Amino acid sequence: KNQVEQSPQSLIILEGKNCTLQCNYTVSPFSNLRWYKQDTGRGPVSLTIMTFSENTKSNGRYTATLDADTKQSSLHITASQLSDSASYICVVSKTSGGSYIPTFGRGTSLIVHP
Amino acid sequence: KAGVTQTPRYLIKTRGQQVTLSCSPISGHRSVSWYQQTPGQGLQFLFEYFSETQRNKGNFPGRFSGRQFSNSRSEMNVSTLELGDSALYLCASSQTMNTEAFFGQGTRLTVV
Repeated sequence: KNQVEQSPQSLIILEGKNCTLQCNYTVSPFSNLRWYKQDTGRGPVSLTIMTFSENTKSNGRYTATLDADTKQSSLHITASQLSDSASYICVVSKTSGGSYIPTFGRGTSLIVHP
Repeated sequence: KAGVTQTPRYLIKTRGQQVTLSCSPISGHRSVSWYQQTPGQGLQFLFEYFSETQRNKGNFPGRFSGRQFSNSRSEMNVSTLELGDSALYLCASSQTMNTEAFFGQGTRLTVV
């Protein structure tokens, strides 16, 4: 069964601290892995997209890693800011007859306190 | 450059009715995909359209349907609404399939 599991479910950190979010998947055949940030009441915003051959991708203070062998990814947030408070969603797409089917994780809810 | 526009933003319908949601993609984007988001199930993929053709479909009943027009605008229809259809419906557009997707603000559907 194609699944995407994220951990932790929720996380509270102090402003300025770093944190790492995890994503494990069983989706196959693998096409790409994306991390999204979703603020409350808004649509998700893309942070990174990684294909099989990429193992690190950065977007400002956000750095995603991918280990395709162990089917694990992480999203590292450096020097957190209050505006980082959001839900972070991992999405893994599989190829299917020339098209791409995404499977979403349930997300990690991050709260950054001053 | 205008973002993805979804209309309406909020909608209240009665069980058994049908509803049509609209999505205008970013100019130049030819792929539009639809998603359902609920507190219980999270985000789930409904379907994706590219060049007016449905390219793939998630695991939803046939009551959920969609279409894409020649200008890439897309509509999603849900017939015979059930209470469980209450959700945030999100639309995303991308230049082609499997490229970076940009989401709209969503349509909040409440079925009573």
